[in-house]
Amino acid sequence: ETGVTQSPTHLIKTRGQQVTLRCSSQSGHNTVSWYQQALGQGPQFIFQYYREEENGRGNFPPRFSGLQFPNYSSELNVNALELDDSALYLCASSGLAQMGKDTQYFGPGTRLTVL
Amino acid sequence: QQPVQSPQAVILREGEDAVINCSSSKALYSVHWYRQKHGEAPVFLMILLKGGEQKGHDKISASFNEKKQQSSLYLTASQLSYSGTYFCGTEIEYGQNFVFGPGTRLSVLP
Repeated sequence: ETGVTQSPTHLIKTRGQQVTLRCSSQSGHNTVSWYQQALGQGPQFIFQYYREEENGRGNFPPRFSGLQFPNYSSELNVNALELDDSALYLCASSGLAQMGKDTQYFGPGTRLTVL
Repeated sequence: QQPVQSPQAVILREGEDAVINCSSSKALYSVHWYRQKHGEAPVFLMILLKGGEQKGHDKISASFNEKKQQSSLYLTASQLSYSGTYFCGTEIEYGQNFVFGPGTRLSVLP
């Protein structure tokens, strides 16, 4: 196990609702990245937080937003849910803001189903 | 831009070798390799940086050919535990534009 935890494990929402997913990073890590993984595909980068500031964003609309707290845990918020938002949401923590220099440790993920 | 991985899938017998390739049309700063088992999170294998290097541990190694912008993951004497989907992740700039490939599904049979 990596020490990265995510909650909840599974979640079912209906279209138009809002959802908040949570991630606790590994001890000593100050950077958290969020990914969306659709079934049978590779993880897609949503955004990264370093010391409570967004530090990079992928090709996702503004209704995907996040927060990082002083203890480096993080939240992913998705507003106005769409059916295509159904996916496994992964968070990964690392020790540095620059992913090129450090390993990312993934949490077990939250499986979101939008009906 | 998403890197290209090949093959899409491979089936091996225990003890056989496999090579998985990851290529990009853009100059890469780094290549990361991860393995994901069904229903589990991706697990880090190794990072290779530009400059063309090779890394390995146990029977899994990788190389990065900067001229070709291609990385190869080598699995030798495969074990049942190697089964899973292997993803490469590429970075075009230092700390920027990290993108995972579509994955290569590896199945090792007894």
